[in-house]
Amino acid sequence: AQSVTQLGSHVSVSEGALVLLRCNYSSSVPPYLFWYVQYPNQGLQLLLKYTSAATLVKGINGFEAEFKKSETSFHLTKPSAHMSDAAEYFCAVTRMDSSYKLIFGSGTRLLVRP
Amino acid sequence: ETGVTQSPTHLIKTRGQQVTLRCSSQSGHNTVSWYQQALGQGPQFIFQYYREEENGRGNFPPRFSGLQFPNYSSELNVNALELDDSALYLCASSPPGTPSEQYFGPGTRLTVT
Repeated sequence: AQSVTQLGSHVSVSEGALVLLRCNYSSSVPPYLFWYVQYPNQGLQLLLKYTSAATLVKGINGFEAEFKKSETSFHLTKPSAHMSDAAEYFCAVTRMDSSYKLIFGSGTRLLVRP
Repeated sequence: ETGVTQSPTHLIKTRGQQVTLRCSSQSGHNTVSWYQQALGQGPQFIFQYYREEENGRGNFPPRFSGLQFPNYSSELNVNALELDDSALYLCASSPPGTPSEQYFGPGTRLTVT
């Protein structure tokens, strides 16, 4: 069975500081991995995806994530936080069957202090 | 290009009632997936539709059912509503050949009283 663990339900950073949101996955087969962002009262927006190509994936809004098989991790980073980055972030892994259902972590709420 | 749209935005139902939620997929997308997101949690997969047939189902009872239409739009029906069904219901569509790439709509907030 596949699963995702997001360490830290809340992360607080100062504006301009490094953002690091942690995601570890469990999968018996090579996974596809995703990061989504959710702003209050909105749906999910795809930030970036890993689909077995380059291990360092660049996404929108300056975010990137690195797939590390040895650590079963897919942490999300951004060099400099902006106030507009405050949101809920979800890591997700696909189940590699015909449905490709997404299995989500419990989410990390990013707070950005001025 | 129009993204995924869902209707209604919000609705309130009473326990025991039935509800239908609607989703229009993004232009050119032929696969639709539905998720339930309870407050403070990550989304949970309900089911997926491809070519008007169910193509995978999560751990939800049969009172959760769905349809996909020839234009790839979709409905989620929930019978005999329970208080725990209160959640944000998210629809996601995927382009042909890449079912893992899912684009979400804004969701429907269902409150069951």
